[in-house]
Amino acid sequence: GAGVSQSPSNKVTEKGKDVELRCDPISGHTALYWYRQSLGQGLEFLIYFQGNSAPDKSGLPSDRFSAERTGGSVSTLTIQRTQQEDSAVYLCASGRPSGQNYGYTFGSGTRLTVV
Amino acid sequence: AQSVTQLDSHVSVSEGTPVLLRCNYSSSYSPSLFWYVQHPNKGLQLLLKYTSAATLVKGINGFEAEFKKSETSFHLTKPSAHMSDAAEYFCVVSGGSGAGSYQLTFGKGTKLSVIP
Repeated sequence: GAGVSQSPSNKVTEKGKDVELRCDPISGHTALYWYRQSLGQGLEFLIYFQGNSAPDKSGLPSDRFSAERTGGSVSTLTIQRTQQEDSAVYLCASGRPSGQNYGYTFGSGTRLTVV
Repeated sequence: AQSVTQLDSHVSVSEGTPVLLRCNYSSSYSPSLFWYVQHPNKGLQLLLKYTSAATLVKGINGFEAEFKKSETSFHLTKPSAHMSDAAEYFCVVSGGSGAGSYQLTFGKGTKLSVIP
């Protein structure tokens, strides 16, 4: 597609359940980011994938969070045993390898609500 | 380490008047700088980027920004505000060296209101 696609756009889940959020980046973009946008907290870096290199997971807030990227394309962010503080908009962005010179394209996000 | 400070959390302007959204950055090395816009319930859209070429950068929708190294600033301007400009604007820095140099560090955002 022409843009970064994220699904679902909205997700309501019960506390303690696991959720999977999906990101389909722009074709040919080898860099992929996950960010979290919480009310009053701004945008928080979660994880970065670049080609076949080991991902930078330094932003993941706890071991309940994990992400993978299959075949260098689609990425899935998994949150296990969700907590209410996990409620946020989860944004995915993709870019070229030297994306800092080109900018990154963001998806519309997944709004996660944990009740 | 790099950081971004957006000096105003909220800016209100009348339609047709100039817009100024202020951003200061801190980076050990020559940074790349971006402005993104986020309309309500929408994703982030890239407005413009500075990547060590011309210091005056023109973006979409009539916005521009000037990189001033001596002031470590990258303020966003537009000569005449339009109602459709009402949104939240994020100043972003990337670059530097070492682990995390590719990370995008976001400012806390400036909410722009346009009064008819």
